[in-house]
Amino acid sequence: KAGVTQTPRYLIKTRGQQVTLSCSPISGHRSVSWYQQTPGQGLQFLFEYFSETQRNKGNFPGRFSGRQFSNSRSEMNVSTLELGDSALYLCASSSGTGSRVSGYTFGSGTRLTVV
Amino acid sequence: GQQLNQSPQSMFIQEGEDVSMNCTSSSIFNTWLWYKQDPGEGPVLLIALYKAGELTSNGRLTAQFGTTRKDSFLNISASIPSDVGIYFCAGYTGTASKLTFGTGTRLQVTL
Repeated sequence: KAGVTQTPRYLIKTRGQQVTLSCSPISGHRSVSWYQQTPGQGLQFLFEYFSETQRNKGNFPGRFSGRQFSNSRSEMNVSTLELGDSALYLCASSSGTGSRVSGYTFGSGTRLTVV
Repeated sequence: GQQLNQSPQSMFIQEGEDVSMNCTSSSIFNTWLWYKQDPGEGPVLLIALYKAGELTSNGRLTAQFGTTRKDSFLNISASIPSDVGIYFCAGYTGTASKLTFGTGTRLQVTL
């Protein structure tokens, strides 16, 4: 089955702009989680969506937001970009139910560079 | 945000050698996971552990869920060049529905 698809793969934005990243989960998966990866902070949890509802949120400012559509595809948005937002943004999909988490599958990520 | 303590931070080893790395936390997790990440790609799951004391193998990889539920270990036997990459541990509690990742171990293998 197709894996997790993230678009675009690379993005360059200017400070102050906003950006939208997209994630299409594995077919049948209803949970999508987003993570930010930077050299300094490592992999940090942003938020998780399940059946179009945000189920959990990490410690990021309100400039970071997301949503999930009825087909489980998810988007995350970052407004008023700062240089420190430069990172690899990863999404992971899972069935979202049950206690076993081995079903987390990551996409290849979107590399965002803010200049 | 929280990160789990992973050691060593990096390793240079020769092909054929065994590798050990570990991950510790101040919090208890009910699931431990080990991932490998290649440059420019997302993490790929290697092994999942679900109960304290569990020892699980996947080919040349063996991982253990610590008895205190606050640590986990990964061993790679007879390393080969394609083992090069960054290895991450991750803890999961279920109630928070999120993964807490370790700081990563960068593995480099020389011929």
